[in-house]
Amino acid sequence: AQSVTQPDIHITVSEGASLELRCNYSYGATPYLFWYVQSPGQGLQLLLKYFSGDTLVQGIKGFEAEFKRSQSSFNLRKPSVHWSDAAEYFCAESDSWGKLQFGAGTQVVVTP
Amino acid sequence: SAVISQKPSRDICQRGTSLTIQCQVDSQVTMMFWYRQQPGQSLTLIATANQGSEATYESGFVIDKFPISRPNLTFSTLTVSNMSPEDSSIYLCSVPTAANTGELFFGEGSRLTVL
Repeated sequence: AQSVTQPDIHITVSEGASLELRCNYSYGATPYLFWYVQSPGQGLQLLLKYFSGDTLVQGIKGFEAEFKRSQSSFNLRKPSVHWSDAAEYFCAESDSWGKLQFGAGTQVVVTP
Repeated sequence: SAVISQKPSRDICQRGTSLTIQCQVDSQVTMMFWYRQQPGQSLTLIATANQGSEATYESGFVIDKFPISRPNLTFSTLTVSNMSPEDSSIYLCSVPTAANTGELFFGEGSRLTVL
């Protein structure tokens, strides 16, 4: 069965520091992978996606993610976080029918 | 991109009552998805709503509890029936951006609190 694992439920990071959020997927040789962000009181916004090709994917708001097939991982990174990056981040994978399976989410807190 | 409007944005409901959530999309789409996000939890797919046919429900969700309508290609409703406090959640409508890749646009959600 398809599953997405986000090992870190909660991460605290200082403003200006780097951020890495972990994600492991379990489905498919050619997965469709996504990172979404949910800010307080707002809907879900797509940060970036991976379908194929270059394994380093650039997204919005300065985020990037790297697809590593050998590790079944799709970790999200940002070199320098801003206070506005405080939010819940969801990794997701699509199956062949186009349905999204979400990870449990990682809550990011940014301290001054 | 698609613009998705959901109503109501939030509501407080009494146990045993039912509430219908509306989802309006600014373009025609074949599939619409309804997700639930319980407090502190991730998103779980409730059902897929296709225009002209009955909705397809995921394991653990049934039509009697979550009836769905899809009268046209831009509109859908989800009803949460006979609500209990366990139904307190954010309910999100979403539509795909490209065929069979899973990339979705989401509405801002409807936050329901059941007392």
